[in-house]
Amino acid sequence: QVQLQESGPGLVKPSETLSLTCTVSGGSISSHYWSWIRQPPGKGLEWIGYIYYSGSTNYNPSLKSRVTMSVDTSKNQFSLKLSSVTAADTAVYYCARRVVKPDYFDYWGQGTLVTVAS
Amino acid sequence: EIVLTQSPGTLSLSPGERATLSCRASQSVSSSYLAWYQQKPGQAPRVLIYGAFSRATGIPDRFSGSASGTDFTLTISRLEPEDFAVYYCQQGETFGQGTKVEIK
Repeated sequence: QVQLQESGPGLVKPSETLSLTCTVSGGSISSHYWSWIRQPPGKGLEWIGYIYYSGSTNYNPSLKSRVTMSVDTSKNQFSLKLSSVTAADTAVYYCARRVVKPDYFDYWGQGTLVTVAS
Repeated sequence: EIVLTQSPGTLSLSPGERATLSCRASQSVSSSYLAWYQQKPGQAPRVLIYGAFSRATGIPDRFSGSASGTDFTLTISRLEPEDFAVYYCQQGETFGQGTKVEIK
């Protein structure tokens, strides 16, 4: 059974960079697309972007200028960096595995709340 | 960019009743690219239906998906107590805004 686990600071100061890592267990990170999705408190889901195990990426245009994703296949991990954060970036951040055809997210991490505050 | 509009925003029903949730796409969408998720408080979303019609592993057969043009429907034939939750549709990088199914 594939499992995903997010890790990283739960509190980030405004203007700083949010950094999260997702560790994949029970399966290989290879040959799959890996996504980050966030959910502000009480609101809906927003796709942030995805990274393929080879390192190719695709980001949400609304966040593209601030997002960087990377993958470490030796550790079965992928990561998210979101720069210049504001209070609007406060959310639960999920990592998820994406199936391409058909298109859906089949495995999700439990989510981690990141609060942007001074 | 595709917009997915879910209706109603909230559905108030009793256990045992039938729930019909709608997801309308702003432009033509391949049925292969439409999925439904269930989210309970404090939990990650869980995929219920993918490819508009196919139930994910372990999903009870009271959940079913259908499609007609740009309109997609999730039907729960008889609500169980554990079905009261928020439901999202998804196509590609876009999620609908969600429908909350609450106990009447």
